[in-house]
Amino acid sequence: AQSVTQLDSQVPVFEEAPVELRCNYSSSVSVYLFWYVQYPNQGLQLLLKYLSGSTLVESINGFEAEFNKSQTSFHLRKPSVHISDTAEYFCAVLLTGGFKTIFGAGTRLFVKA
Amino acid sequence: EAGVTQFPSHSVIEKGQTVTLRCDPISGHDNLYWYRRVMGKEIKFLLHFVKESKQDESGMPNNRFLAERTGGTYSTLKVQPAELEDSGVYFCASSQRGALNSPLHFGNGTRLTVT
Repeated sequence: AQSVTQLDSQVPVFEEAPVELRCNYSSSVSVYLFWYVQYPNQGLQLLLKYLSGSTLVESINGFEAEFNKSQTSFHLRKPSVHISDTAEYFCAVLLTGGFKTIFGAGTRLFVKA
Repeated sequence: EAGVTQFPSHSVIEKGQTVTLRCDPISGHDNLYWYRRVMGKEIKFLLHFVKESKQDESGMPNNRFLAERTGGTYSTLKVQPAELEDSGVYFCASSQRGALNSPLHFGNGTRLTVT
């Protein structure tokens, strides 16, 4: 069975500081990897995804994640965060050829001025 | 295009009562999913429709939960009778056929509180 572990439930950080949100997954078969973001009072939105090819993927708002197969990780990073990045971030996996996306427990990112 | 809409946004009911949650997916999206998040834990898969057919309902907790998608458009999730442990946020998501290149589009969720 597949599982996703997000190692930090909450991450407080000051504005303009770098941040890393950690995600590890467990799967015996190939998976696709995703990060979703949920802003307050909204639904989840896709932030970025890894399907194949380059192991480093980027979002339009400066986040990036790197797929590390040997460490089964897909950590999310941003070199300089903004107040508006305050949200909950979910790491997720999807079996190749499957339809069921498995989510982690989420990491709440608090960006302080 | 209109997004995924869910109704109601909040529901407070007593144990033993019945509640029906509704989800309207994005028009043209064949795939419809229900997920649930309990008390800040992981978002757990409940079931998956392709059009009006249930493809995978392995995540449904028990037979108190009934999901339907008549006509392959909107979907309802009924909980009858509700129990305290059913409290949580119920999310609906939809995607186009061919999930790989079509991300999940989520509604804002229905927060269910059973007292």
